[in-house]
Amino acid sequence: DAGVIQSPRHEVTEMGQEVTLRCKPISGHNSLFWYRQTMMRGLELLIYFNNNVPIDDSGMPEDRFSAKMPNASFSTLKIQPSEPRDSAVYFCASIGDTNTEAFFGQGTRLTVV
Amino acid sequence: AQSVTQLDSQVPVFEEAPVELRCNYSSSVSVYLFWYVQYPNQGLQLLLKYLSGSTLVESINGFEAEFNKSQTSFHLRKPSVHISDTAEYFCAVGGSGSARQLTFGSGTQLTVLP
Repeated sequence: DAGVIQSPRHEVTEMGQEVTLRCKPISGHNSLFWYRQTMMRGLELLIYFNNNVPIDDSGMPEDRFSAKMPNASFSTLKIQPSEPRDSAVYFCASIGDTNTEAFFGQGTRLTVV
Repeated sequence: AQSVTQLDSQVPVFEEAPVELRCNYSSSVSVYLFWYVQYPNQGLQLLLKYLSGSTLVESINGFEAEFNKSQTSFHLRKPSVHISDTAEYFCAVGGSGSARQLTFGSGTQLTVLP
């Protein structure tokens, strides 16, 4: 398996624009997580899906952020409108039923100017 | 609620010296404990994990960590570090069932000096 795949790897956008980050979890994994990493706040859990259903979205910072998982092999994290303080590295991770540890993607480095 | 405290944000150490990265956790339920490593511009990779059983767990590259329930700690150690061990190390707690999300510490930057 190619692991968790995120796209794009880098995204530079202007303030106010919509940004969509994409994630393909490892095949067969039924739990998916979106994390945000910044120098100031470290790694923060944004949202957790199990079997495509959002279980915990208490980490989503505000209404500008939304996440979907339309099927077991794809998830998106959308920011609309984006702001400079959203600049961070966004990671997607997945876990299978027979695993205990999360497998991480390479991350998307988002810069909002 | 779960929380993780990594007491040292930066640990510089000379090559071939021993190192300990400290981690303390707080949880109201039984947890799984993990150490992840992050190299520059990369994602997190699992280094080792404690689930149950023996309190001492080891990785394939010489790191080990010991689960201490009474002190709620899961410190990471290596007896002799290499330049290639330079990276950021994250301690994390996770659960099972519907609580599988990981809660991470703030990370420790290990820098191995020649």
